[in-house]
Formats: sequence, structure tokens, C-alpha cells
Amino acid sequence: GENVEQHPSTLSVQEGDSAVIKCTYSDSASNYFPWYKQELGKGPQLIIDIRSNVGEKKDQRIAVTLNKTAKHFSLHITETQPEDSAVYFCAASIFIGNQFYFGTGTSLTVIP
Amino acid sequence: DTEVTQTPKHLVMGMTNKKSLKCEQHMGHRAMYWYKQKAKKPPELMFVYSYEKLSINESVPSRFSPECPNSSLLNLHLHALQPEDSALYLCASSQVISQGVEAFFGQGTRLTVV
Repeated sequence: GENVEQHPSTLSVQEGDSAVIKCTYSDSASNYFPWYKQELGKGPQLIIDIRSNVGEKKDQRIAVTLNKTAKHFSLHITETQPEDSAVYFCAASIFIGNQFYFGTGTSLTVIP
Repeated sequence: DTEVTQTPKHLVMGMTNKKSLKCEQHMGHRAMYWYKQKAKKPPELMFVYSYEKLSINESVPSRFSPECPNSSLLNLHLHALQPEDSALYLCASSQVISQGVEAFFGQGTRLTVV
């Protein structure tokens, strides 16, 4: 099955700095990679996703890059704000049942 | 509207109780999912429903019994649970079951088994 690794597990940045979270996956059949933000006591919220026919996607301060050859993808948050503090999960989707295999999560803290 | 509504938000139950978790979406999605999430861990898939039929059961113990009465509703019936079943139970939905379709999660039900 698919195995998704995520690094780092914790990340602290100063407000206004950039944050980068990296994930690798093992199954070359995976072709959809969403990122979820989970705030304390809430469910995961889809913030951005990328499909394998695209190398990069941006949405305001958030961007995701994908390197299919190396099987890794990254989340980039620029101009971080305190409200960006949360746990971020990457995921990879395989065909059967649109199952998501989640990374282990990154706890991001933005220091005001 | 990308809202998936779960009730109750919190549930405490004894090991001999029977309870149900409910999930509702009105986005016209035909795929619905149950995930279990332990503290500081990623969500783990339990069940997948596609067009109201059970498509995937990830070897979940029979004390968890899912039900999809219609395309908008998904239930999870609980019976004879163990304390280690305490977790956040998340419902999600997507348009269809095909790969690469966005899935939206509810806020979860925080379950405590005593």
C-alpha cells in the first residue's frame, strides 16, 4: 500500500516568515495530493490540492509543488500569520475508493 | 457550501451502551467516509460508501456498524466499545468515489468510552 512520510513534525516560525512542509510518497499510482489544515478540536479543512499533471499550484499565500519523479510534494506558506497555526496533513490518493493516505502531520506554530 | 455536519460533537458512553453517530451533507455527494483519529495522529480510514453501498471496510471490528440510509446521511452505530476506541470520529464526503476527487470533512465527534 501507499506510505506517506511528512517532515518536519513540528515547525515554529516568526510571523511574516515562510513555512515549508515536505512529504514523500511511495506508490507511483498516486496522482492526487491534498493538504489539510486541522485546528484544535476541529475536523481537517482542505486548503489546497494538486494533481499529478501539474507541477505547482498557488492560492494566495499558499502554494504546493509536486515532483512526480522524486515522489515528493511540498506545502509553502508565505507571510505567515498567527491564524496559520495548526496541524497540517498531506495526503496521497490511490484509485481504490479514493482512499487518502495521510502523512503524520506537522504542528505549525506562528509566533507573533 | 462544503459543509459536512456531524452530531453529536461530544459523546461519552459506557462499554455496554449502544449509541449512534450521525453525519449529513447536502452537497449532492455520492461518496461518504468514516475516519477515526487518535490524538496527535492522522485520520485512519474505516469505511467508504459509494451510492449508499458499502464499498470499503478497512477490517474494522464488528462493534462498529455503518449505515447509509440515503445519499445525504451516514450513520455509525456503536455497541460494546472498548476504552481504546475513544477517539475523534470524522465523517467526510466527496462527489464520487473516483481517485482525485476532493473530500470534505466534518468537525468530528469526540467519543470517550468509559
